[in-house]
Amino acid sequence: AQSVSQHNHHVILSEAASLELGCNYSYGGTVNLFWYVQYPGQHLQLLLKYFSGDPLVKGIKGFEAEFIKSKFSFNLRKPSVQWSDTAEYFCAVNALRTGRRALTFGSGTRLQVQP
Amino acid sequence: EAQVTQNPRYLITVTGKKLTVTCSQNMNHEYMSWYRQDPGLGLRQIYYSMNVEVTDKGDVPEGYKVSRKEKRNFPLILESPSPNQTSLYFCASSQTMNTEAFFGQGTRLTVV
Repeated sequence: AQSVSQHNHHVILSEAASLELGCNYSYGGTVNLFWYVQYPGQHLQLLLKYFSGDPLVKGIKGFEAEFIKSKFSFNLRKPSVQWSDTAEYFCAVNALRTGRRALTFGSGTRLQVQP
Repeated sequence: EAQVTQNPRYLITVTGKKLTVTCSQNMNHEYMSWYRQDPGLGLRQIYYSMNVEVTDKGDVPEGYKVSRKEKRNFPLILESPSPNQTSLYFCASSQTMNTEAFFGQGTRLTVV
């Protein structure tokens, strides 16, 4: 069965620090990839997505992610975090043509940005 | 405004008392699903629906039922809730199963 791993469970950064959150998935075929963000007390919102094309994807609020097929990875980055980026971040994968009709989510990474 | 609406937002109930959490979307999406979110486990899919009258089990369907009589609505039914169903529940919809999902605000359920 496919799985999604987010190895960083809790990350604490100071404002202006750079961020990289890891995401690895287990499926070897074609995938759609997503990063969602959940601000405290709110629902999940899409940060960015990759379906095909340029493996470097830019999303909202200065976030970007790079799809590296050979590493089965889709890491999320931001050059300079702000206090308002404090949230939980979820990587999600949709493995195409497997018959599985669902997103598989990672367990999430809680980011805490200190002013 | 495009949105997915869940009700109620918060619910405390007792073991065995049937309950329904409603979900409605106004985007004419075909695909809808229910997830539960538990600490350290991320989101796990409970049930999904590809279209009206087409539903199927996700990863954790035990103890839940769903129905899809209309395209916009996808209620989650707990016939006999148990304490292990205490969780945060999210409804989501998307145009197809392979496109961006839009999530509702969540329903925090406590079963005592």
